[in-house]
Amino acid sequence: QVQLQQWGAGLLKPSETLSLTCAVYGGSFSGYYWSWIRQPPGKGLEWIGEINQRRSSNYNPSLKSRVTISVDTSKNQFSLKLSSVTAADTAVYYCARRLTIFGVAKYGMDVWGQGTTVTVFS
Amino acid sequence: QSALTQPASVSGSPGQSITISCTGTSSDVGGYNYVSWYQQHPGKAPKLMIYDVSNRPSGVSNRFSGSKSGNTASLTISGLQAEDEADYHCSSYTSSSTLEVFGGGTKLTVL
Repeated sequence: QVQLQQWGAGLLKPSETLSLTCAVYGGSFSGYYWSWIRQPPGKGLEWIGEINQRRSSNYNPSLKSRVTISVDTSKNQFSLKLSSVTAADTAVYYCARRLTIFGVAKYGMDVWGQGTTVTVFS
Repeated sequence: QSALTQPASVSGSPGQSITISCTGTSSDVGGYNYVSWYQQHPGKAPKLMIYDVSNRPSGVSNRFSGSKSGNTASLTISGLQAEDEADYHCSSYTSSSTLEVFGGGTKLTVL
């Protein structure tokens, strides 16, 4: 049973860089896209971006200038960095695995991390 | 404002059926069969319930079904149970460079 465990700083000041890491346990790291999604308080989900083990990545254009998603295949981990944060970046951040069936990536996330609450305050 | 439009809330009594709508455009919901639905209980991560409009991942109850007509996708839950009370989110592939967009979420109350 694949599990994702994520961690990172939960309190940031404006202009600082958000940094989160997600570790993959109990399953294959290769052959999947690994994503970051966030949920502002009381609001819907927002897709941030994704990466695979070959370091092929896709980003939400609205965040692309501030986002870096990287992968460490030796540790089965992937990470999110979001620079120059503001109060608008306050959200629960989730890591997730894109559903893949017979090697074909689908548009749905079938495994999720527990979520990390990130608050930006001055 | 979310890219996909969902009702803020729906409700139903145990045993009844309810339907949650998710409206987009021809660039997302209407143009591709790549709509997903998630269930999210308070304080928990979302759970994938439907992918590719109407497919259920292994382990998801067949009380959950999905469909699509034009630019609107729908999630139907039959035989409502108390544990179905949760927030439900839709998502879709989009031909814009965003790749994937979500709705604002719908709170389901089981009366």
